Amino acid sequence: EDKVVQSPLSLVVHEGDTVTLNCSYEVTNFRSLLWYKQEKKAPTFLFMLTSSGIEKKSGRLSSILDKKELFSILNITATQTGDSAVYLCAVERYNFNKFYFGSGTKLNVKP
Amino acid sequence: SAVISQKPSRDICQRGTSLTIQCQVDSQVTMMFWYRQQPGQSLTLIATANQGSEATYESGFVIDKFPISRPNLTFSTLTVSNMSPEDSSIYLCSVEHWVREGLNEQFFGPGTRLTVL
Repeated sequence: EDKVVQSPLSLVVHEGDTVTLNCSYEVTNFRSLLWYKQEKKAPTFLFMLTSSGIEKKSGRLSSILDKKELFSILNITATQTGDSAVYLCAVERYNFNKFYFGSGTKLNVKP
Repeated sequence: SAVISQKPSRDICQRGTSLTIQCQVDSQVTMMFWYRQQPGQSLTLIATANQGSEATYESGFVIDKFPISRPNLTFSTLTVSNMSPEDSSIYLCSVEHWVREGLNEQFFGPGTRLTVL
């Protein structure tokens, strides 16, 4: 059965800390892995990863994929209170046009 | 990226009634998806809305409960029928955005927060 597992489920840090969020997957015919940030209702797109070992970076956020070990990490450096959100990982399969979502990591950044 | 709007943004309904949620995209898209996110949980795919054919439902979801329309390439509706409190969720519409051959991104609408009393 295809599955996407995120850890930790929740995390509390202080401003300025660096956090690493994990996403492991068991999905046949892997096509891509996506990270989303969800603050209220709609998830907003962060990164899409398709190739192993190539880091994607956007400001203080970065992400990398390991297709051999079947996981991805999302790093946030110098965290701010505005980073508080649920971070979702999703994996897409070839030919199925479906995205399998993990349960999310709830990040709380305290001042 | 595609701009997606949903109506209503939220609603409170009585059990036994039905609610239709609309999703409008600012460009033509092939694939539109409907997700449900129950309180404290992740997103669960309800169905894929195909233009010109019936929607494809995931395990655990049926057409009688969640009828879907897809009259054209920019619009879809999801109806939550005969609602019960267990249907209280956020309902999200999403679309695929073609990046390049063999690669798609997925974008979400703002969501509809439904509370069933």
